[in-house]
Amino acid sequence: TQLLEQSPQFLSIQEGENLTVYCNSSSVFSSLQWYRQEPGEGPVLLVTVVTGGEVKKLKRLTFQFGDARKDSSLHITAAQPGDTGLYLCAGPEGTGGFKTIFGAGTRLFVKA
Amino acid sequence: GAVVSQHPSWVICKSGTSVKIECRSLDFQATTMFWYRQFPKQSLMLMATSNEGSKATYEQGVEKDKFLINHASLTLSTLTVTSAHPEDSSFYICSLQGGRWETQYFGPGTRLLVL
Repeated sequence: TQLLEQSPQFLSIQEGENLTVYCNSSSVFSSLQWYRQEPGEGPVLLVTVVTGGEVKKLKRLTFQFGDARKDSSLHITAAQPGDTGLYLCAGPEGTGGFKTIFGAGTRLFVKA
Repeated sequence: GAVVSQHPSWVICKSGTSVKIECRSLDFQATTMFWYRQFPKQSLMLMATSNEGSKATYEQGVEKDKFLINHASLTLSTLTVTSAHPEDSSFYICSLQGGRWETQYFGPGTRLLVL
C-alpha cells in the first residue's frame, strides 16, 4: 500500500520565518503534487513535480522532488500570514495510477 | 488546469431529508470524477469514483445506497446524500483528474450541516 507521510502535522510560526514541509514515502511516485487548502475551500494546486531531483519555484515557495521520486519537500521563505493553510502532498496510486494518494496534510499558521 | 465548480456551496437541512450536490467541469470533459469527504482539520477521504455512463465505484465503508452518485455527462456528476443524519455533516469536495500526470483539480467544496 502506498502511503505519503507528511511532517510536521502542524506548524505555527512568526511572519518572516522560513519553514520546510516534508512528504515521504517508501514507494516511487511518477509525480507528486502539492496543494494548499484554505478553510471552507477546496484544495488548490500549487505545483506538480515529475522528474527526480527536480526543483520548482513559485515566488517564495520552493518545491523539490527527491532523486528517487519517493519524497518531496516544500520550503517557504519569509512566510506571510497569507501562507496560512493546509498543505497537502499527493500522488497517483501505482504506475500511472487512477486514484490519488494524499498525505495527512500540514497545517501552517503564520502569525503577523 | 481544469476549472471545477460545485453547487451549492453550503446547505443546511433537516435530518431525514435528501441533499443533492452538483459538481461541474467547466472546461474539461471528464469521464471520471471523484468525491471526497473532509472532516475538520483532517485530510481528504475518497468516498467514490464517479464514472460517466456507468456505476460509481465506492470505497470500502462507504454506503452506496446512502451516497448516490450519478455521472450523467462528461461535465456533470452529482452526489445525493439520502436520508441525511447529523453524522453526515461534513465538507464534500469533488475533483476531476486530467493532464499528462493525472493531476487532481478540485471543486470549491460543499459544506453540509444536518440538523
